[in-house]
Amino acid sequence: DTEVTQTPKHLVMGMTNKKSLKCEQHMGHRAMYWYKQKAKKPPELMFVYSYEKLSINESVPSRFSPECPNSSLLNLHLHALQPEDSALYLCASSQFRPGGTYNEQFFGPGTRLTVL
Amino acid sequence: SQQGEEDPQALSIQEGENATMNCSYKTSINNLQWYRQNSGRGLVHLILIRSNEREKHSGRLRVTLDTSKKSSSLLITASRAADTASYFCATDPSGGGSEKLVFGKGTKLTVNP
Repeated sequence: DTEVTQTPKHLVMGMTNKKSLKCEQHMGHRAMYWYKQKAKKPPELMFVYSYEKLSINESVPSRFSPECPNSSLLNLHLHALQPEDSALYLCASSQFRPGGTYNEQFFGPGTRLTVL
Repeated sequence: SQQGEEDPQALSIQEGENATMNCSYKTSINNLQWYRQNSGRGLVHLILIRSNEREKHSGRLRVTLDTSKKSSSLLITASRAADTASYFCATDPSGGGSEKLVFGKGTKLTVNP
């Protein structure tokens, strides 16, 4: 299985809602990532989990809360979002290699989020 | 902060022609990667070239890396309509834990049938 899956594909939520995005991979990768991508822009890194521990937080507002329950799952909890948070949210994973490096990232198809 | 800058921002060619995209970056790197993204979809890894490599091939793709100029190019030969997508370079900066890639702004390629 060389796939990263994300659910849901589309999400519409109000500013007072609480929702979660889910990501799953079964490739044995030990690094998992959340990216935010606005239209016609490159992905912007939000969070990195390495061996189930948060290793990078790119100064993301606290209304985004990541969680890594186990080595295969990654969640992004959303609360009190703003309309400007509407974007494509991408999950990715990569394998840790001998020598202490990660290499190519495998991306899921993304969740298209609309905040009303 | 973004490190890679692709050039051109948009490229439109006819099927069968070659497409060349360039990427420049600012700091030392461990490797440079190219990704493709079809509209509204996830990114797909195409090729990785390490800092000690100068050229790499994969099928119709050819990537070059010039670390002295801090630049890379992606050549797609004999393009097809299915190659229509956005292409991003991404650098793995030296000195980091290699967990983080820095993506460029991307080149939007349109291949006309």
